[in-house]
Amino acid sequence: GQNIDQPTEMTATEGAIVQINCTYQTSGFNGLFWYQQHAGEAPTFLSYNVLDGLEEKGRFSSFLSRSKGYSYLLLKELQMKDSASYLCAVRDQSRYKLSFGAGTTVTVRA
Amino acid sequence: GAVVSQHPSWVICKSGTSVKIECRSLDFQATTMFWYRQFPKQSLMLMATSNEGSKATYEQGVEKDKFLINHASLTLSTLTVTSAHPEDSSFYICSAPSSGWNTGELFFGEGSRLTVL
Repeated sequence: GQNIDQPTEMTATEGAIVQINCTYQTSGFNGLFWYQQHAGEAPTFLSYNVLDGLEEKGRFSSFLSRSKGYSYLLLKELQMKDSASYLCAVRDQSRYKLSFGAGTTVTVRA
Repeated sequence: GAVVSQHPSWVICKSGTSVKIECRSLDFQATTMFWYRQFPKQSLMLMATSNEGSKATYEQGVEKDKFLINHASLTLSTLTVTSAHPEDSSFYICSAPSSGWNTGELFFGEGSRLTVL
């Protein structure tokens, strides 16, 4: 099974940087995903890491350390529209399905 | 990107009735689809894996007789909540991997919010 932990809530001001950490313990690993979910909507894909290191996509970056069971999502130049829940998800190696963390609610203030 | 469409978006029903939710992959074929359930302020919990042409695989604790899944074609999976009760009220979301599955993306439908009175 999977055990995925991430902080419940974070608050930051517009233009700032926020880092959302995710730790996981898995019986198998085949990739870590970050999704953004606005209230009442379905999640949208942000990033994917399968090898150690940093993946950068515009204002969003994601980092993975497989040996430490650790990832983070970095949001730069925060905008009000970035207020949402951010979900860390791990893909199981044997069955190719995603297990999600509880999500981190990010609130961006002016 | 790939599109997954879910219908209906909202449904309100009386206790004891059955509700069907459809999930369609609009521009790609999906031999596998996943059904999730999300309670308020909680994360997505995988309910079952829908397999085209064969029986669905249910997660531990999910009643297969209550949540009927049918994957009739390469573009359609349905979830039927049978004899719904108020505790079944939740946000149900389907998802499907596209051809880019090995590199990352799992596409989600818009979700269906079920309220059982």
